[in-house]
Amino acid sequence: EPEVTQTPSHQVTQMGQEVILRCVPISNHLYFYWYRQILGQKVEFLVSFYNNEISEKSEIFDDQFSVERPDGSNFTLKIRSTKLEDSAMYFCASSDGTAAITDTQYFGPGTRLTVL
Amino acid sequence: SQELEQSPQSLIVQEGKNLTINCTSSKTLYGLYWYKQKYGEGLIFLMMLQKGGEEKSHEKITAKLDEKKQQSSLHITASQPSHAGIYLCGAPRAGGGADGLTFGKGTHLIIQP
Repeated sequence: EPEVTQTPSHQVTQMGQEVILRCVPISNHLYFYWYRQILGQKVEFLVSFYNNEISEKSEIFDDQFSVERPDGSNFTLKIRSTKLEDSAMYFCASSDGTAAITDTQYFGPGTRLTVL
Repeated sequence: SQELEQSPQSLIVQEGKNLTINCTSSKTLYGLYWYKQKYGEGLIFLMMLQKGGEEKSHEKITAKLDEKKQQSSLHITASQPSHAGIYLCGAPRAGGGADGLTFGKGTHLIIQP
């Protein structure tokens, strides 16, 4: 069964460093998403991406974040200058975009980011 | 913005017993998703409900969306250790389509042998 994959599973970085989190969405899906979950808190939406551009973003997704689809299979989240509060589990999701009202999003296993 | 309230926050159930988890929305739901998360892992899609009064079942899990489309329940029959985990309800942030989802805080389910 097709699934969303994410690498690395765990990333440790120093405050102020740049990190890139990578995702391979399900191959025929058209919409891609990033979410984060700070330990013990809700899963929070960051950004959605369609047709090579951002279609929606939350207030969390500020200028330090960016997303890119560098090739036909990868979808990346870059954090330019990491802060301690960026420590969280980051989930990538994808959907096929065929539903007019509701579109099921399939999630990857997550990347645990630890900022020291 | 839409808020989803889940209850209970945590639940300890003896193996073989039935249980129900609720999800209440501050606004009319255009779609309601149920996911399961094991600790430190990703979200596994369970079911999606869209129409008022809709009910779906998969194995021993049944989810319902009320007629007014502001509340959903997830019912597990004859619980097993494999049911343990965190159950999350999610809904489209804006109106539907391929919107980002907003989630409830989750219900932690523990199954006691």
